[in-house]
Amino acid sequence: EDKVVQSPLSLVVHEGDTVTLNCSYEVTNFRSLLWYKQEKKAPTFLFMLTSSGIEKKSGRLSSILDKKELFSILNITATQTGDSAIYLCARAGNNRKLIWGLGTSLAVNP
Amino acid sequence: DGGITQSPKYLFRKEGQNVTLSCEQNLNHDAMYWYRQDPGQGLRLIYYSQIVNDFQKGDIAEGYSVSREKKESFPLTVTSAQKNPTAFYLCASSIDRTANTEAFFGQGTRLTVV
Repeated sequence: EDKVVQSPLSLVVHEGDTVTLNCSYEVTNFRSLLWYKQEKKAPTFLFMLTSSGIEKKSGRLSSILDKKELFSILNITATQTGDSAIYLCARAGNNRKLIWGLGTSLAVNP
Repeated sequence: DGGITQSPKYLFRKEGQNVTLSCEQNLNHDAMYWYRQDPGQGLRLIYYSQIVNDFQKGDIAEGYSVSREKKESFPLTVTSAQKNPTAFYLCASSIDRTANTEAFFGQGTRLTVV
């Protein structure tokens, strides 16, 4: 079955901690993997990964894709309370649909 | 400003009534999508449209209907046949019909059926 699995499902950390969120998938032929942040309403785009081993970085957030092991990670360093959100991962398949994981709910406590 | 707009933000309806959720985008995107989000279930695809006057069923299309008469608009009707319509509905659009580009989301409509 074609699934995207995110782990952990939820995570509570203190400000300043570094977190690593995981996203694994099951098919080898795909176009891209996307990460989104959802705070209250609309998910907002973070990264799109298409090539294995190339890190994408935006401030304290970074992400990398491993096509051989079929997973991606999202790292957040020096977390802040504003990082509290649900982080969603999605795989873009050849059938033109996005396959979504359930998300990781991150809570950053002061 | 360019973007994707959903309305209303909150909607209450009586059981058995049809209700239509609006989604408009001025990004000139070809592809538009409707998702349903329930607690602990992630985003589930209801319908998607890659071009005007064409749309396809997603994974949970039963009890829903859509139209795509204009590029900018992709309204979703929740019919009385939908057994559990109370949920958070998200509309999205992307420039690329192949879904290989980022999708932009509206702010969502929270539908409550009483």
